[in-house]
Amino acid sequence: NAGVTQTPKFRVLKTGQSMTLLCAQDMNHEYMYWYRQDPGMGLRLIHYSVGEGTTAKGEVPDGYNVSRLKKQNFLLGLESAAPSQTSVYFCASSSIRGQSYNEQFFGPGTRLTVL
Amino acid sequence: KNQVEQSPQSLIILEGKNCTLQCNYTVSPFSNLRWYKQDTGRGPVSLTIMTFSENTKSNGRYTATLDADTKQSSLHITASQLSDSASYICVVSANNQGGKLIFGQGTELSVKP
Repeated sequence: NAGVTQTPKFRVLKTGQSMTLLCAQDMNHEYMYWYRQDPGMGLRLIHYSVGEGTTAKGEVPDGYNVSRLKKQNFLLGLESAAPSQTSVYFCASSSIRGQSYNEQFFGPGTRLTVL
Repeated sequence: KNQVEQSPQSLIILEGKNCTLQCNYTVSPFSNLRWYKQDTGRGPVSLTIMTFSENTKSNGRYTATLDADTKQSSLHITASQLSDSASYICVVSANNQGGKLIFGQGTELSVKP
C-alpha cells in the first residue's frame, strides 16, 4: 500500500496563477483533510471531507476550494494564488472505524511558493 | 480557546542521552492526545495515542505520559539515536469537534554524535 500520496511535491507560482494539488489514498478511508504548515505554527486545517461528494470548511478556508469526486481522491485548488499561501500543504486521511481515535495518516507534503 | 503549547521550541542533545518534551493543553472537552514525529521534508507519523483514562503509553524508546487533571503530557525519549532528530508534535482532539485535531507548534529535536 502506498498510503497517502500527494502531487506535486514542489511548485512555484506567480501571484494570481491557479493550481490544483492532488491527494490520493489507498486505505479506503472515509475522511480526508487538507492542512497547511507554516514556520512556528501548528498545522492548520483548511478543508476536510467526511465522504465522497461532501466537503466542509476548516480553520483557514479562505482562498482555497476542494472537491471529493472519488472516495480515494481529495483535490485542493487555489484559484488566484497569493504570497500568503506560500506554505507546505499536507493531506491526511482517517477511517470512520474507531472514530474516537481518529488516527490520521499524512502524506509527504507539497511545498508551494508563491512569488 | 482550544490551544496546545509545547516546550522547549528546540533542543539539542548528544547521542545516547535521554530527553523529555512537554505539552500543555487547554482543549475541552478532552478526547485524546497523541504525539507525532515529523522528519524533515516528510509528513507527521503517529507515535502514541492516549485517551482520558490512560496515563502512560510506550512505543519502543518513546514513552508518553498524560495527566488529565493538570492537562499536561510529556514525551520521554530514551537512549537517543541520530534518527530521532525530528520535530515532535503534540496533538489534542476535542470530543465536540467531530474528531478535528488541535496541533502544537512542535519541538525541534537535534541529536548530535
